Amino acid sequence: AQSVTQLDSHVSVSEGTPVLLRCNYSSSYSPSLFWYVQHPNKGLQLLLKYTSAATLVKGINGFEAEFKKSETSFHLTKPSAHMSDAAEYFCVVSGGSNYKLTFGKGTLLTVNP
Amino acid sequence: NAGVTQTPKFRILKIGQSMTLQCTQDMNHNYMYWYRQDPGMGLKLIYYSVGAGITDKGEVPNGYNVSRSTTEDFPLRLELAAPSQTSVYFCATDSNYEQYFGPGTRLTVT
Repeated sequence: AQSVTQLDSHVSVSEGTPVLLRCNYSSSYSPSLFWYVQHPNKGLQLLLKYTSAATLVKGINGFEAEFKKSETSFHLTKPSAHMSDAAEYFCVVSGGSNYKLTFGKGTLLTVNP
Repeated sequence: NAGVTQTPKFRILKIGQSMTLQCTQDMNHNYMYWYRQDPGMGLKLIYYSVGAGITDKGEVPNGYNVSRSTTEDFPLRLELAAPSQTSVYFCATDSNYEQYFGPGTRLTVT
């Protein structure tokens, strides 16, 4: 069994300030973890993924995430927010012998000018 | 490459009507998925397929059916539409633990 908890349903930041989106997971297996982004009325796009290699994962558009097994966390960060980062972000876990993903409920990121 | 395409983009159905949501991929991936997205709920897996001729239920399969006769196509069928099926539906494929999503179909049942 696996689950994902995104700790904030909504995060608001000012342009140019850091972004932190928090995600905790549980999994019976060695998990693969992902962050996806969804802009309004669009499909989902992969930002980054962790699949048991380096624990600090770099993704597109300056985002990165750190896998911390002891804390069962996979928080998403970005040093400086841009207006174009405004979107909904989903933390996702995959584990076991199939490819089924379990999605968190999402965090809406608002970027203020 | 178009990736994953879905038709239609929008549809309004009356209660009890039926319809098929189309999904086609040109990436030659074996794995395909159907999700529904409801506000504040993330994505829920409806059905998935690991290859042509093989399908299996996901988390919320009731009220839906699928088929997979070819690698490219994975249609989702709603037989008796209900208001609870109002949602945005996404089709996806998978390669090396990365899922590629279609643009979605927004369905309203009234």
